[in-house]
Amino acid sequence: AQSVTQLDSHVSVSEGTPVLLRCNYSSSYSPSLFWYVQHPNKGLQLLLKYTSAATLVKGINGFEAEFKKSETSFHLTKPSAHMSDAAEYFCVVSPRGNQFYFGTGTSLTVIP
Amino acid sequence: DTGVSQDPRHKITKRGQNVTFRCDPISEHNRLYWYRQTLGQGPEFLTYFQNEAQLEKSRLLSDRFSAERPKGSFSTLEIQRTEQGDSAMYLCASTGTAEGTEAFFGQGTRLTVV
Repeated sequence: AQSVTQLDSHVSVSEGTPVLLRCNYSSSYSPSLFWYVQHPNKGLQLLLKYTSAATLVKGINGFEAEFKKSETSFHLTKPSAHMSDAAEYFCVVSPRGNQFYFGTGTSLTVIP
Repeated sequence: DTGVSQDPRHKITKRGQNVTFRCDPISEHNRLYWYRQTLGQGPEFLTYFQNEAQLEKSRLLSDRFSAERPKGSFSTLEIQRTEQGDSAMYLCASTGTAEGTEAFFGQGTRLTVV
């Protein structure tokens, strides 16, 4: 069975401070993992993906994620939050490449 | 435009009416997905096609829902006898078949049933 757990439904950070959005997954296969961002009234945009190459993945807008198989985690980080980062973030697992399972999302608020 | 496009962007309908949504995937993608997203939730899988074949359907997809992709290009999602619980954002995505490929999403069709 496949599932994704985003451990925080809401995260609030001050502008310029680090961001950590946590994701744990379970999968019967060696999955591909993704983070998507959704700004209000906008479509889902891919931030980054892991596909069994390097465990530290760099994405757009300064975001990174580290795949830890032993912990079944794929946490998203950014060293310094910007106001434009305020959005909903989704962790996604794709166990066999023909299906995408979403977490329930983490809403990121950036305080000026 | 080379992205996934969905039409209409918004639809308001009365309970009991039928509605149909269209999705045009990225042209070289042979897989197409439909998802439903309600407020505060992540997208939930409804169904997916490889070319014109509908390969998987979620148990969320009741008998009132039907999806087609007749020529392996665009797809339609029809909801018959709409109910207020059908109010949601309906998202379409497409991918190629390469391992690890990401899904490209359209901007969605927001359905409101009144």
